Amino acid sequence: EVQLVQSGAEVKKPGESLKISCQGSGYNFANYWIAWVRQLPGKGLEWMGIINPGESKARYNPSFQGQVIISADRPITTAYLQWNSVKASDSAIYYCARLASSTHIGMDVWGQGTTVTVSS
Amino acid sequence: SYELTQPPSVSVSPGQTARITCSGDALPKEYAYWYQQRPGQAPIMVIYKDTERPSGIPERFSGSSSGTTVTLTISGVQAEDEADYYCQSADNSRTWVFGGGTKLTVL
Repeated sequence: EVQLVQSGAEVKKPGESLKISCQGSGYNFANYWIAWVRQLPGKGLEWMGIINPGESKARYNPSFQGQVIISADRPITTAYLQWNSVKASDSAIYYCARLASSTHIGMDVWGQGTTVTVSS
Repeated sequence: SYELTQPPSVSVSPGQTARITCSGDALPKEYAYWYQQRPGQAPIMVIYKDTERPSGIPERFSGSSSGTTVTLTISGVQAEDEADYYCQSADNSRTWVFGGGTKLTVL
């Protein structure tokens, strides 16, 4: 079964660092781009960026450039989203998702989501 | 910045047809994708490349495109279709964008 399994919920204080993960299984991890999507409480979906796990090449939504870092470790089939210093406004659900094909940007497999809470 | 515009809500009775629109200036040049998100769950892709349906998605879900508007049509709506629906596309700088979402209520 093709699946993406994300790390568990996180509670952080403002200014702390954070790294959440997304492990793929059931398919060739290196061959499919992984996207990260943010959902603020009660709001819609926002694309943050994508990474090619085969080359560890990332591309960011300009709105998130410099705010987060997207990376991948191909041998352990895991993608990451990290912050050097979280803010209260980073509190959200974060989803990873697999691009279905190299020829379009539809996302066919999604992780279960990681809830991040930032509060002093 | 580029925006995709969706109606905030659509309501239909069971068995009727629901149509959810998504408008954006780049849609004549860029494909659109549709996702269903039930409360507390991750999104599911229900339409890709304007009109294609992924395997496992019921045939009652279909997509169409005309100019700057794409439409998700759900024929014979069922109670389980009640969810939020989001369109997705890209702008001319390859930045991906989601619409604001449409809450489908089955009366």
